[in-house]
Amino acid sequence: GENVEQHPSTLSVQEGDSAVIKCTYSDSASNYFPWYKQELGKRPQLIIDIRSNVGEKKDQRIAVTLNKTAKHFSLHITETQPEDSAVYFCAASINSGYALNFGKGTSLLVTP
Amino acid sequence: GAVVSQHPSRVICKSGTSVKIECRSLDFQATTMFWYRQFPKKSLMLMATSNEGSKATYEQGVEKDKFLINHASLTLSTLTVTSAHPEDSSFYICSVRGTSGASTDTQYFGPGTRLTVL
Repeated sequence: GENVEQHPSTLSVQEGDSAVIKCTYSDSASNYFPWYKQELGKRPQLIIDIRSNVGEKKDQRIAVTLNKTAKHFSLHITETQPEDSAVYFCAASINSGYALNFGKGTSLLVTP
Repeated sequence: GAVVSQHPSRVICKSGTSVKIECRSLDFQATTMFWYRQFPKKSLMLMATSNEGSKATYEQGVEKDKFLINHASLTLSTLTVTSAHPEDSSFYICSVRGTSGASTDTQYFGPGTRLTVL
């Protein structure tokens, strides 16, 4: 089955700096890669996703890149703010209703 | 995005009792729902895929007789933890899959149910 590795497990940055979280996946058939943000005790919220026919996607301060050959994808957050502090999960799946395989999560702390 | 609710949000029960958790898709019909389990400071682990009108598909290592799933309608799936024990204490989260266009890959999560078994 699919195995998703996520690094780092914790990340601390100063407000205004950039944060990068990286994930790798094992199943070359995976073609959908969402990123979720989860605050303590809350539900995971989709923040951005990318499909395998696209190499990069950006939404304001958040961007995701995908390298299908190397089977890795990354989340980039620029101009970080304290409210970005949360746990971020990457995931991978195959289209058409397959379940998501999650990475172990990255706890991001943005200090003022 | 889809609106997904879960009930109850929090439940405390005695060991040996059964607990039912409901997952509702409020604004669209969901043919597929997923049930995840999350331990403190850990990732989400898929337990089962719930398909409307048919038996759920369980992940390896998840006891189907322990975690009963019923997806009786296009808006409701239930997870029943039978004969709950302290090790079943966890955060249970459901998700529904979008049903139109590019959103069919997107999963929208419920708010989760915190189960504590004493």
